[in-house]
Amino acid sequence: QSALTQPASVSGSPGQSVTLSCTGTSSDVGGYDFVSWYQQHPGKVPKLMIYEFIKRPSGVSNRFSGSKSGNTASLTISGLQAEDEADYYCSSYTSSSTWVFGGGTKLTVL
Amino acid sequence: QVQLVQSGAEVKKPGASVKVSCQASGYTFTGYYMHWVRQAPGQGLEWMGWINPNSGVTTCAQNFQDWVTLTRDTSISTAYMELRRLRSDDTAAYYCARARGSSNLDTFAIWGQGTMVTVSS
Repeated sequence: QSALTQPASVSGSPGQSVTLSCTGTSSDVGGYDFVSWYQQHPGKVPKLMIYEFIKRPSGVSNRFSGSKSGNTASLTISGLQAEDEADYYCSSYTSSSTWVFGGGTKLTVL
Repeated sequence: QVQLVQSGAEVKKPGASVKVSCQASGYTFTGYYMHWVRQAPGQGLEWMGWINPNSGVTTCAQNFQDWVTLTRDTSISTAYMELRRLRSDDTAAYYCARARGSSNLDTFAIWGQGTMVTVSS
């Protein structure tokens, strides 16, 4: 199972919106509604931000939203804040009953 | 509260094995799948496999099928990940992560603190 494709880096200014993409295939992202997004600050444990494409766990800011189009999932962060600077990973359930991660995107807040 | 506490850091020689534990508390251990994920220094997350703590059934990523064993001891609410024939590129932080719900379709919502495994001669 190949890793999902994420851009290596994305940047934005405070207050702006940024969108991170996660591209897979019909055997994972495109075939199931089980895509999640994780935020990881340096030296910290990953934190679940979005699950099942669009759902937010309790306590996660509504500035984070998810969407899907075909084989691509997206995470949009609106009203960018300095604390949003982190690595972001997508993951998807696959047709092999396994899970797969993307390579991660480093978000820089300028 | 729900908590996963992992065993401490390990240093192993190439060819050895390592067994990492993950003790759960604050919920019914057998009610939620447990996943294992690793992260090499400066690298991304890599999914290794899951175990159904109720049945003991496991599924591992193809990359790990021949050298990872996932087990559990329900009497002490603990999951284990054993990695055999260690190589230097197995140096990584290893995480257990509990599923958000009771299905293997549920994503990883609660994470352990991570166990650093260093493979060096």
